[in-house]
Amino acid sequence: GAGVSQSPSNKVTEKGKDVELRCDPISGHTALYWYRQSLGQGLEFLIYFQGNSAPDKSGLPSDRFSAERTGGSVSTLTIQRTQQEDSAVYLCASSLAYLGTGSYEQYFGPGTRLTVT
Amino acid sequence: GEDVEQSLFLSVREGDSSVINCTYTDSSSTYLYWYKQEPGAGLQLLTYIFSNMDMKQDQRLTVLLNKKDKHLSLRIADTQTGDSAIYFCAETFYSSASKIIFGSGTRLSIRP
Repeated sequence: GAGVSQSPSNKVTEKGKDVELRCDPISGHTALYWYRQSLGQGLEFLIYFQGNSAPDKSGLPSDRFSAERTGGSVSTLTIQRTQQEDSAVYLCASSLAYLGTGSYEQYFGPGTRLTVT
Repeated sequence: GEDVEQSLFLSVREGDSSVINCTYTDSSSTYLYWYKQEPGAGLQLLTYIFSNMDMKQDQRLTVLLNKKDKHLSLRIADTQTGDSAIYFCAETFYSSASKIIFGSGTRLSIRP
């Protein structure tokens, strides 16, 4: 079956512009995560959605970052007034359930490489 | 605080065993994971261990957990060229189970 897909795969934008990154999780997965992977760095947690619960936004680095998940499926990560330090690969993952309750695997998308010039 | 550390690089000869190490600071972890990232691809879960276990074996993979020292390792037996990738250690916690904290990753390279 289809895995997690993300679009675009690459995005180059000018400093100060807004960007939207899209994630299509695996059908039926209730949990969705966004991470940021900077060059040579580990994954930085950004935000987590679980079903209809309020999202855990504790990892968003600033108020320029926001995300929504419509209808419990597709998610969009929006970065306003992009800065050069926002350049990174943005990864989306989905899973069947809340990780804390068991060992459910996170399935990762291929990521969106964002370059801010 | 929550911190997961790994060495950045490891080089091994084809056919030898690879041992990738990870240390963490938060003792309230629930699950500890090893993920593999091949070039240009997303992360793929390799294996995981619950925090009350000491060891888990899965074919060529052996995970060892030392809770006292907060040390996790992944041993890959008979390392092959297809094992070349970045390996990430990660953990989740009782206190904040919605988050998974990743290490910076260890790049494993295989020499002939």
